[in-house]
Amino acid sequence: KAGVTQTPRYLIKTRGQQVTLSCSPISGHRSVSWYQQTPGQGLQFLFEYFSETQRNKGNFPGRFSGRQFSNSRSEMNVSTLELGDSALYLCASSSPGQGYEQYFGPGTRLTVT
Amino acid sequence: GQNIDQPTEMTATEGAIVQINCTYQTSGFNGLFWYQQHAGEAPTFLSYNVLDGLEEKGRFSSFLSRSKGYSYLLLKELQMKDSASYLCARLNQAGTALIFGKGTTLSVSS
Repeated sequence: KAGVTQTPRYLIKTRGQQVTLSCSPISGHRSVSWYQQTPGQGLQFLFEYFSETQRNKGNFPGRFSGRQFSNSRSEMNVSTLELGDSALYLCASSSPGQGYEQYFGPGTRLTVT
Repeated sequence: GQNIDQPTEMTATEGAIVQINCTYQTSGFNGLFWYQQHAGEAPTFLSYNVLDGLEEKGRFSSFLSRSKGYSYLLLKELQMKDSASYLCARLNQAGTALIFGKGTTLSVSS
């Protein structure tokens, strides 16, 4: 079974621009979560989607948004990029039938200049 | 709050045993995870504890005390490849998200 995939793997953007990141979960997994990882703050939860509905949201500004499609693929969008948005963005998928274990993708490394 | 505390760094030598501690706030507890993350890679699942006690899985074991809000990850017979960041995480009350500690960077030397 293929793992969680994320595209692109690396991205360089300029302040004020917007960016869209994509995540394809493991086949059959319907829950997709997004996390931001920085050296100072560690891994922080952004939001979680299940069956195209956002079920939970972390403490991030409204510039961060996401959505999930009917095939469980998910995208997250960051508008009006700031330097502090430079981070590794990780996506994880899980299946209710397998407990709460989350499987992480390789991440997208975003650099904002 | 859901603060999770774990040491920032630890060092150990090959063949030794190391214990990485994690404390968390007990309200709304739903389960405790340990993940391993090598530099530049995604976190990978190590263990999940929801009941008190010790769970052993090869060289790695994880312990949970729900009343004390305390967990530890025990690594035996350390190998160089165990050098990584070890992340303690708890489920949020809704069971829909992981709340992570900042991780413990373990360095194993020969």
